[in-house]
Amino acid sequence: SYELTQPPSVSVSPGQTAKITCSGDALAKQYAHWYQQKPGQAPGVVIYKDSERPSGIPERFSGSSSGTTVTLTISGVQAEDEADYYCQSIDSSGASWVFGGGTKVTVL
Amino acid sequence: QVQLVQSGAEVKKPGASVKVSCKVSGKTLTELTMHWVRQAPGKGLEWMGGFDPEDGETAYAQKFQGRVTMTEDTSTDTAYMELSSLRSEDTAVYYCASYKSGFHNWGQGTLVTVSS
Repeated sequence: SYELTQPPSVSVSPGQTAKITCSGDALAKQYAHWYQQKPGQAPGVVIYKDSERPSGIPERFSGSSSGTTVTLTISGVQAEDEADYYCQSIDSSGASWVFGGGTKVTVL
Repeated sequence: QVQLVQSGAEVKKPGASVKVSCKVSGKTLTELTMHWVRQAPGKGLEWMGGFDPEDGETAYAQKFQGRVTMTEDTSTDTAYMELSSLRSEDTAVYYCASYKSGFHNWGQGTLVTVSS
């Protein structure tokens, strides 16, 4: 089955930049979306279609894509950005949605 | 603004079935593409299935084929997810979420506990 691969954890100091990668064969053809989840809460989208930011999401969140890897960048990390982040896409057949394993972002 | 409100927590015995509901407001169910995602305690998000507008059919993750049924009642704008033959590994929070270039709207989640 199709898989998206993320690093399990990323640590960053306040004000620095956090980068989270997500790799998958079909990402060269399918869009990726990113979700933030804080403890006890439902996930929420922070980036969609690789690099689009929904209204209400701070500008410090950005997304990019290169080949089979997409990247979520959080510039000027704040304490409130500490959360789990998941990438999500669809397999090459378009029949199966999939999430990455998730990355825990810790603000030191 | 779209809101998805799910039914309350459930406790089920192994082998039983559970049916979780997801009531839509702010739009009609026919305007949305509804999916279901679950999250076991301390684990990541897992896609279970959802409506695929490309072919007009409901797509199910292979892992749940034959055990899950997703239905919709457009008269009440309510989506349902029924999971049968429950086992302890099905203990999780189940979410409904609407998809359009990403899951932009999520229900609050329904905890299903499977325990003898």
